[in-house]
Amino acid sequence: GENVEQHPSTLSVQEGDSAVIKCTYSDSASNYFPWYKQELGKRPQLIIDIRSNVGEKKDQRIAVTLNKTAKHFSLHITETQPEDSAVYFCAVAGGTSYGKLTFGQGTILTVHP
Amino acid sequence: NAGVMQNPRHLVRRRGQEARLRCSPMKGHSHVYWYRQLPEEGLKFMVYLQKENIIDESGMPKERFSAEFPKEGPSILRIQQVVRGDSAAYFCASSPVRLADTGELFFGEGSRLTVL
Repeated sequence: GENVEQHPSTLSVQEGDSAVIKCTYSDSASNYFPWYKQELGKRPQLIIDIRSNVGEKKDQRIAVTLNKTAKHFSLHITETQPEDSAVYFCAVAGGTSYGKLTFGQGTILTVHP
Repeated sequence: NAGVMQNPRHLVRRRGQEARLRCSPMKGHSHVYWYRQLPEEGLKFMVYLQKENIIDESGMPKERFSAEFPKEGPSILRIQQVVRGDSAAYFCASSPVRLADTGELFFGEGSRLTVL
């Protein structure tokens, strides 16, 4: 089955800095790559996603880049704010896992004021 | 349009009892997924269902766990003879189409099971 690796497991930045989280996956046929933000005790919420027909997608301070050849994708958050502090999960779907999302292990992002 | 509804939000059971978790997908969504999240860990896929059918149960433990999504009513995740290791947050999610076909997954608020 699909294997998703996410790094780093924890990330600490100062307010205003950028944060980058990376994920690699194993199934080259995968075609859907979302990122979720989960605050303590809350449900995961989709913040951005990308499909395999594009290489980059941006939404205000958040961007995702995809490199299908290398089988990795990254989340970029610019001008971080304390309210960005949360756990971020990457996920992969498609290919042999067409019906489900396989999640990375998560990254605890802390933005210090 | 109400979101994915899960109940109960919190459930306490003693070892050996049964736990039943319910999930009503968003209106118009026929694909339902159950995920388990252990404390301070990621989300692990359990089962993927469409109405009256189990599509993928590769993440379900072989014993004590079962899931259904009947023609009428919510999807139910059932855990028999619970053990302390079953303590976790169980999230249900739904989508209008298969994920690989332009779908997006919408999560419920989760059901937090505590086994004493």
